[in-house]
Amino acid sequence: GIQVEQSPPDLILQEGANSTLRCNFSDSVNNLQWFHQNPWGQLINLFYIPSGTKQNGRLSATTVATERYSLLYISSSQTTDSGVYFCAVVPTSGTYKYIFGTGTRLKVLA
Amino acid sequence: DSGVTQTPKHLITATGQRVTLRCSPRSGDLSVYWYQQSLDQGLQFLIQYYNGEERAKGNILERFSAQQFPDLHSELNLSSLELGDSALYFCASSRGQGVAKNIQYFGAGTRLSVL
Repeated sequence: GIQVEQSPPDLILQEGANSTLRCNFSDSVNNLQWFHQNPWGQLINLFYIPSGTKQNGRLSATTVATERYSLLYISSSQTTDSGVYFCAVVPTSGTYKYIFGTGTRLKVLA
Repeated sequence: DSGVTQTPKHLITATGQRVTLRCSPRSGDLSVYWYQQSLDQGLQFLIQYYNGEERAKGNILERFSAQQFPDLHSELNLSSLELGDSALYFCASSRGQGVAKNIQYFGAGTRLSVL
């Protein structure tokens, strides 16, 4: 089946710093979403981005489907950005279920 | 707030018991998905229902079952519970099952602790 790998696995930043999180997938996909899991366990939708670029405030994402990767950019990080970031993909072949990556654990220090 | 409601938020029970987790999808969403998040397995898809019918199955144990009712809410039943079933269980919903409509919105989860 499809493999979804995220890097880096862990990231520690000072407040105000920028970061780039990466999601690589081993096969073609129809859908891709980025999620933030906050320290309370809630999974929050960030982007639905099977291709192209989107921006929402300090966050932006780019997916290059032909090269099988997606990037999540966080600028001017805040302590509330801490948590785990997951990308999830729906493979082109198969059913409509998301395959989640292993996640990037981000800690932003004040 | 995603609009997906899961109850209860926390559940503590003993091995061998049976529990039911409930999910109400966002208004207008026809698909419901169940996921399990455990420390060793990460986030894994369990099962999907679309408009009352099972549409996709993942790594769901035979001790687990689910259904979607005519009002579109869904229940996940876990029986003969084992310590390893302790996890965060998420429900998600989407408008349809087609590719273009498959943006999934997640509930806050039910944290199950089996003692």
